[in-house]
Amino acid sequence: EVQLVQSGAEVKKPGESLKISCKGSGYSFTSYWIGWVRQMPGKGLEWMGIIYPGDSDTRYSPSFQGQVTISADKSISTAYLQWSSLKASDTAVYYCARRGGSSDYWTHWGQGTLVTVSS
Amino acid sequence: EIVLTQSPGTLSLSPGERATLSCRASQSVSSFLAWYQQKPGQAPRLLIYGSSSRATGIPDKFSGSGSGTDFTLTISRLEPEDFAVYYCQQYAKSRQTFGGGTKVEIK
Repeated sequence: EVQLVQSGAEVKKPGESLKISCKGSGYSFTSYWIGWVRQMPGKGLEWMGIIYPGDSDTRYSPSFQGQVTISADKSISTAYLQWSSLKASDTAVYYCARRGGSSDYWTHWGQGTLVTVSS
Repeated sequence: EIVLTQSPGTLSLSPGERATLSCRASQSVSSFLAWYQQKPGQAPRLLIYGSSSRATGIPDKFSGSGSGTDFTLTISRLEPEDFAVYYCQQYAKSRQTFGGGTKVEIK
């Protein structure tokens, strides 16, 4: 069974750094793109970027380029999303998701990580 | 960027009724369109990809149609578990985008 298990909720202050994780299991982690999606409180879904764990090829939505860093450690089947300096506007639920195959639709999703940034 | 506009914003229906949700793209996405269902506190779930192909395990009460710029998700007979928010997503371009969502609520 394909599973994506994300790290737990975080409460941070503005300016702090953060790295959240997404561990894949039940499939070949290096063979499928992993994406990250933001959902701000009460709002819709926004695609942030994707990574191919096999070779760490990474692509970002222009809206998030330079704001976050996506990485992966294939040795432990885990993808990451990190911030160097959080803002209150980063408060959201962040989902990781696995691509279905050769196209960018998302067949499997993590449970989401709530990030709260507040002074 | 391709903008997806979903309508209506909210659909109020009774169990057993048919739901018809619309997604319109600002430019052609061919058939590179997916639909997701999201319930409160849960991650989205893929329902439809390629405009009309049901994802694994999705019942046939869900159907998708359309190509180019106009797409429809139909739920043939609403059951209590179908009341949720539905999002469309285009993946025709490397910069994929989601629509704003349609909430299907109990009337």
